[in-house]
Formats: sequence, C-alpha cells, structure tokens
Amino acid sequence: DTGVSQDPRHKITKRGQNVTFRCDPISEHNRLYWYRQTLGQGPEFLTYFQNEAQLEKSRLLSDRFSAERPKGSFSTLEIQRTEQGDSAMYLCASSLARRGGGETQYFGPGTRLLVL
Amino acid sequence: GENVEQHPSTLSVQEGDSAVIKCTYSDSASNYFPWYKQELGKRPQLIIDIRSNVGEKKDQRIAVTLNKTAKHFSLHITETQPEDSAVYFCAASKAVNSGYSTLTFGKGTMLLVSP
Repeated sequence: DTGVSQDPRHKITKRGQNVTFRCDPISEHNRLYWYRQTLGQGPEFLTYFQNEAQLEKSRLLSDRFSAERPKGSFSTLEIQRTEQGDSAMYLCASSLARRGGGETQYFGPGTRLLVL
Repeated sequence: GENVEQHPSTLSVQEGDSAVIKCTYSDSASNYFPWYKQELGKRPQLIIDIRSNVGEKKDQRIAVTLNKTAKHFSLHITETQPEDSAVYFCAASKAVNSGYSTLTFGKGTMLLVSP
C-alpha cells in the first residue's frame, strides 16, 4: 500500500497520560498536514509541514500538542497530559506542492483516540 | 478566517434519483474547492475538485459547479446507487505565503441511498 499510513489506528488512554501518533506520508509528498475530526464534524486543521519545517499551527493546537517531522518524511503528533476533550480522530494528510496551491491532499486512515 | 457552510446535513434519496449538496464559503480569495467522500470508519477520499478559473467540472455521475460571485459551490450526483451512501464533505482553500493551502471543511452531509 503506497498511501498515507498512520499508527496506531486506535488508542485508549487515561486522562493525564501522554500519547504519540505517527504518520507516514506518500513517499514523494513534501507537504504533510494534521487534522482532528470529531463525530459529526468535518476535519479541522491542526498543523502543516513543508519538508521538515512546521509552517503553520492552528489556534486549536494548544501547548500540550507538539508535532515534528524531523527528516521531512514521517511525522509524529504528541499530546501531553491528555484530557477527555482530546478524544477524536486524528487524521494525517500529505500532498505534493503545486504552484499556486490547491494540490490534492491524500488522507490516512486516522488514529482514533479515546481518553478515559 | 475561512468559514464553510454545508447543507443539508442529511439527505435521503431513492436509488436512481439525483442528489445535490450545497456549500458556501466566506473568503473571496479561496480558489480551490475539493469534495471528499468518507465511508463509515474509513479515511476521507477525494471524489472531485474544482478551481476558481472554471465554473463546472464533471466526472461520470459526479459534477461540481462553482459560482464565485455568490461564493457557493455544489456537488451533483446523478443516478445514485446504494454504494454512494456516505458522508460527503466540501472544503475550500486558498494559496498563501509559500503557496500551501489549508483546507477548511464543511460539517458534512450524510447521504443515504435506499434501494
């Protein structure tokens, strides 16, 4: 499968614990995005990388959230001191830069987080 | 920032009927409008997209129209089939800074096609 992959697919944790998710984009894609999706809502943008540089962060991304893409390939999203409100599907997407923007973003299967 | 409104939230049709989902956006600078289909428990998948330099695009049973003046765009599915049942999301984006595009999604439309 050459699409976007995410690991783990499901995570159950207790409030206050730290969790880390991984995203492997399509190999030639230089842009990587993290989104959060709650039930009945569309994906909400969290952060964006171009290669290894994190260029944009949403106001939704509190100080407890950190994302990295150390070598411009895979990315990790860490949530520290999880809260019940963090329960959601965390989606990763990747794209190949296109002049003028508007390139297709390909989504991974997501990591479903449940904070008890 | 951009705001995307999507209607209806649910849509039930009989197999063979047409389905129309409508979205409006707030930022007149938005220039790219994709539509994603998300089946239960699966990832969003792009089904069609349109850029602001065209008014309509078709791909077999699916078409999208864009009215830049009114800032709205619509998804049209003809001859619906049960396998079209899913949640459909519209989105809007614009190129900023280095050219990247942040997608702002609507809240989704659950389409149910009954045999």
